[in-house]
Amino acid sequence: EADIYQTPRYLVIGTGKKITLECSQTMGHDKMYWYQQDPGMELHLIHYSYGVNSTEKGDLSSESTVSRIRTEHFPLTLESARPSHTSQYLCASSVYGNEQFFGPGTRLTVL
Amino acid sequence: AQSVTQLDSQVPVFEEAPVELRCNYSSSVSVYLFWYVQYPNQGLQLLLKYLSGSTLVKGINGFEAEFNKSQTSFHLRKPSVHISDTAEYFCAVSVAGSNYQLIWGAGTKLIIKP
Repeated sequence: EADIYQTPRYLVIGTGKKITLECSQTMGHDKMYWYQQDPGMELHLIHYSYGVNSTEKGDLSSESTVSRIRTEHFPLTLESARPSHTSQYLCASSVYGNEQFFGPGTRLTVL
Repeated sequence: AQSVTQLDSQVPVFEEAPVELRCNYSSSVSVYLFWYVQYPNQGLQLLLKYLSGSTLVKGINGFEAEFNKSQTSFHLRKPSVHISDTAEYFCAVSVAGSNYQLIWGAGTKLIIKP
């Protein structure tokens, strides 16, 4: 079944730790996205990719980085987590010009 | 710059009553329009979309929306809501010539009163 997966679903971590949020999709979509969303708030695009070896920063400045070595995989990395990074991170993928399909999200808490 | 405005941050409504969630956008070029629903602690799920053709679009869970080009609106409606419709609803617009990035509204929280 075609789907989009995110792990972990919940992560509580101390300040200064390096973390990687995983996102994988089995739909063969070229475009992938990372959004940051605070509870009850709108989505903010932080990174996107048009395909392998393509990554771009989104509208919201973020200290995270992404990579796209394989079509199906789009991990997000924080080199040194801080409490200000506490948020929900949503991964999505799409076919060009059409709707985006979302993963279940990772809720990150940095103590 | 293009923008999407969801006019109500919260909409309380009694169970089995009709509801309309409003969405307006600003764009002078052709657009694709979407409504997504987000249940607590979950990702977003597509409710319906308008790409072309009939301006009345039917989606999942009994929702429908009407594209009004002259008023640049895409309001979401349901004739009779259920307690399970309690969620956050997001309107999004994809604009031709912008690599079809989605521009998101701020969301409307639908609160169903028993």
